[in-house]
Amino acid sequence: DARVTQTPRHKVTEMGQEVTMRCQPILGHNTVFWYRQTMMQGLELLAYFRNRAPLDDSGMPKDRFSAEMPDATLATLKIQPSEPRDSAVYFCASAQGGLGREAFFGQGTRLTVV
Amino acid sequence: AQSVAQPEDQVNVAEGNPLTVKCTYSVSGNPYLFWYVQYPNRGLQFLLKYITGDNLVKGSYGFEAEFNKSQTSFHLKKPSALVSDSALYFCAVRDFNNDMRFGAGTRLTVKP
Repeated sequence: DARVTQTPRHKVTEMGQEVTMRCQPILGHNTVFWYRQTMMQGLELLAYFRNRAPLDDSGMPKDRFSAEMPDATLATLKIQPSEPRDSAVYFCASAQGGLGREAFFGQGTRLTVV
Repeated sequence: AQSVAQPEDQVNVAEGNPLTVKCTYSVSGNPYLFWYVQYPNRGLQFLLKYITGDNLVKGSYGFEAEFNKSQTSFHLKKPSALVSDSALYFCAVRDFNNDMRFGAGTRLTVKP
């Protein structure tokens, strides 16, 4: 059963620390999305990639967030330095090419910055 | 840029009654529309999509959605609600930019 895998599932860290979240997209999917979910803002699109190339990362705070795809099986989202306002659930999703293709979501990483 | 709006934060229905969760969209060009459901502490699960063709789309768990181009709407429906349908529902749209953007979500509560 193909699925998107995110690690870690939960992360508690102190303000100022670096946080790295990882995502393994479904094999064969060439589009990867990163979302952040909070009660106040809902689901925000942070960045997305197609064929490992970043297409848009305008949703991310550039000074502290970075997203990469070192290879087709791994996407990473880093926050450095982390702040309490970054506390949220971060979701990765992947899709096959084509606008009519649905995205499949991972279980999310729940980040708490204290 | 494309967007979707879900005008209701909360929808309450009694078990066995029909339910509707509303969504309107704004896109340049053809819309590619999706519905997802989220249960507590879980990721989003795909329910159904509209790409082209019939305006009434059928999906998982007995859900369906009606695409209305003139009203730019894509409302989610189910003829008979179950208590287990209680969850958070999201409408989403993709356009030529290839991204996928979501509405604010609607919390559906089905009461016994």
